[in-house]
Amino acid sequence: KNEVEQSPQNLTAQEGEFITINCSYSVGISALHWLQQHPGGGIVSLFMLSSGKKKHGRLIATINIQEKHSSLHITASHPRDSAVYICAVIGGGATNKLIFGTGTLLAVQP
Amino acid sequence: DAGITQSPRHKVTETGTPVTLRCHQTENHRYMYWYRQDPGHGLRLIHYSYGVKDTDKGEVSDGYSVSRSKTEDFLLTLESATSSQTSVYFCAISESGYGGENIQYFGAGTRLSVL
Repeated sequence: KNEVEQSPQNLTAQEGEFITINCSYSVGISALHWLQQHPGGGIVSLFMLSSGKKKHGRLIATINIQEKHSSLHITASHPRDSAVYICAVIGGGATNKLIFGTGTLLAVQP
Repeated sequence: DAGITQSPRHKVTETGTPVTLRCHQTENHRYMYWYRQDPGHGLRLIHYSYGVKDTDKGEVSDGYSVSRSKTEDFLLTLESATSSQTSVYFCAISESGYGGENIQYFGAGTRLSVL
């Protein structure tokens, strides 16, 4: 069993829909990271969070440390949101090693 | 790409040949990482560096070596490439090696095919 599990693996939505991507992890962490990988392959950081909620534009990320669960929400989805969304956790301890989920492929149709 | 350049971006090579991938950064970040990305797997750490000449293995280090002779350059070498090393390779950098709010910045990736 992977230490970081994402669901769903694939998601197709209509433009304007509210989207939720989930991430569950089984290890102790110091922080959790949401990343976006564009169709061209580049990976960019969306959020880093260790508690509560963060919001950036139409994106909202939440984390529940007790339940070892995080969600990424996209409001008013748009075709340009189509990408792979990757959850990664930073394990506890003295290194910044990331443990990655396998990603959620999101396709937003016009 | 936060001042990170990977070269080459694409490479096709034959089994048994040596291959070196280069990661160059202009951010003066101390930590550098090499990952591989394969279908059905999350990004997996190959090797990382926490300073010039200071490197350590990741979870999938077999068949790979690295070197860091300057802060800005981190080289990944496949001594004798195998078909199982066909993958997309990403370099990443971070300012600090400690958990918390540190963010890793990724290069654009190198697509390697070993025939």
